[in-house]
Amino acid sequence: SYEVTQPLAVSVALGQTATIACEGANIERKNVHWYQQRPGQAPVLIIYRDIKRPSGIPERFSGSNSGNTAALTISGVQVADEAKYYCQVWDSRAVFGGGTQVTVL
Amino acid sequence: QVQLQESGPGVVKPSQTLSLTCGVSGDSISNLDYYWSWIRQPPGKGLEWIGYIYRTGITHYNPSLKSRVTMSVDTSNNHFSLTVNSVTAADTAVYYCGSATADIDYVDVWGNGTSVTVSS
Repeated sequence: SYEVTQPLAVSVALGQTATIACEGANIERKNVHWYQQRPGQAPVLIIYRDIKRPSGIPERFSGSNSGNTAALTISGVQVADEAKYYCQVWDSRAVFGGGTQVTVL
Repeated sequence: QVQLQESGPGVVKPSQTLSLTCGVSGDSISNLDYYWSWIRQPPGKGLEWIGYIYRTGITHYNPSLKSRVTMSVDTSNNHFSLTVNSVTAADTAVYYCGSATADIDYVDVWGNGTSVTVSS
């Protein structure tokens, strides 16, 4: 079955750029979606179909997908962006990555 | 946009059946061309997709849970439900209901989640 892998943690200085990778075999052939989950809260969809942002999601969140790696980029990181981020693809069922904890320094 | 709210017992005994309901507000399930989903998250762990149901009753379950899971839709009460049979401690999790309102392959509306503990 298809698997996607994320780093456990990413640290970034306030105002800098954070990039979170989501790796999977030929993942560029799949649509990748990203969710943000703050502690004690439900996940929120922040990127869908690789690059699209739902209404209300700040422009500092962007996505890409090429080869075996998809990525979520957070530009100008804010304290509010400290959260866990999950990538997800569809492979006859929804498959989630293990999640990446983003810490703002 | 619809809003979702899970409800159910906080504790279930091992080997028994877990039953959860997701109330839909903001519109009628009968009017909506959405896929109604369940996702769970064990304590301190990641997200696991359980499955979805369409308003017509068509279902699609995670193969890892398929033998123990049933989903249903109640259009008259505007909610959808999840049952998990023969629960064990491994079923302890926060259970989220969600909806895929635009495309089938991602969840864009989530409930707040309900915590379920399997314990005697």
